[in-house]
Amino acid sequence: DAGVIQSPRHEVTEMGQEVTLRCKPISGHNSLFWYRQTMMRGLELLIYFNNNVPIDDSGMPEDRFSAKMPNASFSTLKIQPSEPRDSAVYFCASSFLTGSYNQPQHFGDGTRLSIL
Amino acid sequence: DAKTTQPPSMDCAEGRAANLPCNHSTISGNEYVYWYRQIHSQGPQYIIHGLKNNETNEMASLIITEDRKSSTLILPHATLRDTAVYYCIVMDTGRRALTFGSGTRLQVQP
Repeated sequence: DAGVIQSPRHEVTEMGQEVTLRCKPISGHNSLFWYRQTMMRGLELLIYFNNNVPIDDSGMPEDRFSAKMPNASFSTLKIQPSEPRDSAVYFCASSFLTGSYNQPQHFGDGTRLSIL
Repeated sequence: DAKTTQPPSMDCAEGRAANLPCNHSTISGNEYVYWYRQIHSQGPQYIIHGLKNNETNEMASLIITEDRKSSTLILPHATLRDTAVYYCIVMDTGRRALTFGSGTRLQVQP
């Protein structure tokens, strides 16, 4: 079975450039999560969607970050303009959530982002 | 979500059982205990979860104390590929996203 697919796996770009990270969740899952991992802060939630609707974006650092989920099989996380402090590994995860039960989340292999 | 406490690191000999403890003394009745692990440079991997009963799957066993204030993840026959950071997370069904702590870095020694 195909897992969560993220692209690109690595991205190196210069400060000020726009960066777009992509995620394809597992088919049939109704929720998608974006996490960021750094040495200083560990793994932290940025935003999550349920049925393509953003539910909690309280972890999005600032207006430079935006996320969309135009359909059930695709999501993007965009940083514009990028800054060196955005350098991190960004993970996408998906799950099937119901009103009373959370199935475990399945993670992609991440995008390692370096902003020079 | 209740806070969890885990030792920062543990060692285990290859082939032996690895027992990873987690303290969650403030857990409430509707909160589940989840375990994930992260092998170097990979995404976190789900291992197992439970509410109050002990659970077992093909990867591990989860033992939850009767008062639910602590739990132990057991890898019955650790291999070198089990070297990873293991995260214990407590989450209720109303909260959808995972809150990761620092985890336990398990080093399996040959």
